[in-house]
Amino acid sequence: KAGVTQTPRYLIKTRGQQVTLSCSPISGHRSVSWYQQTPGQGLQFLFEYFSETQRNKGNFPGRFSGRQFSNSRSEMNVSTLELGDSALYLCASSTDRPPYNEQFFGPGTRLTVL
Amino acid sequence: AQSVTQLDSQVPVFEEAPVELRCNYSSSVSVYLFWYVQYPNQGLQLLLKYLSGSTLVESINGFEAEFNKSQTSFHLRKPSVHISDTAEYFCAVYLLSNTGKLIFGQGTTLQVKP
Repeated sequence: KAGVTQTPRYLIKTRGQQVTLSCSPISGHRSVSWYQQTPGQGLQFLFEYFSETQRNKGNFPGRFSGRQFSNSRSEMNVSTLELGDSALYLCASSTDRPPYNEQFFGPGTRLTVL
Repeated sequence: AQSVTQLDSQVPVFEEAPVELRCNYSSSVSVYLFWYVQYPNQGLQLLLKYLSGSTLVESINGFEAEFNKSQTSFHLRKPSVHISDTAEYFCAVYLLSNTGKLIFGQGTTLQVKP
């Protein structure tokens, strides 16, 4: 089975621009979670999508948004980029079968905002 | 609020020596506990997990962790480390009431020296 894939792997943007990151989950996984990783704040949960619906959300401003398609692929969008948005963005997929579903992580997208 | 504390940001150790990476958590609800490992320029890989049952859990590459409910700890140990164990290690909790969201500690960098 192919793992979680994220595209692109690296991005360089300037302040004020917007960016879209893509995540393709493992086949059969319907839940996709997004995390931001920075040296200062560590790993922080952004949001989780399941069956095209946002089911959970972290404490990030509205500039961060996401969506999920019918094939479970997910995108996250960051508008009006700020220098502090420079980070590694990780997505993780799971099957969402109880009692708990292991989250499998992709390699991440490294976003640099200049 | 739930939180995870990794008590050491860096742990230097010589090859073949034992190591312990410490993790404490705070939660008023039931949680599942995890250790993830991250190698440079890669995503997170699950090392081991505690869901229920035996409080001592083991990984295939010699790591083990013990869940201690009274001390709210989940320390990671390995009796003899290898150079290849050099990586960043993250402790995380999953709240049963908070879908799709892992709460991570700040990470511990394990530096194995020859």
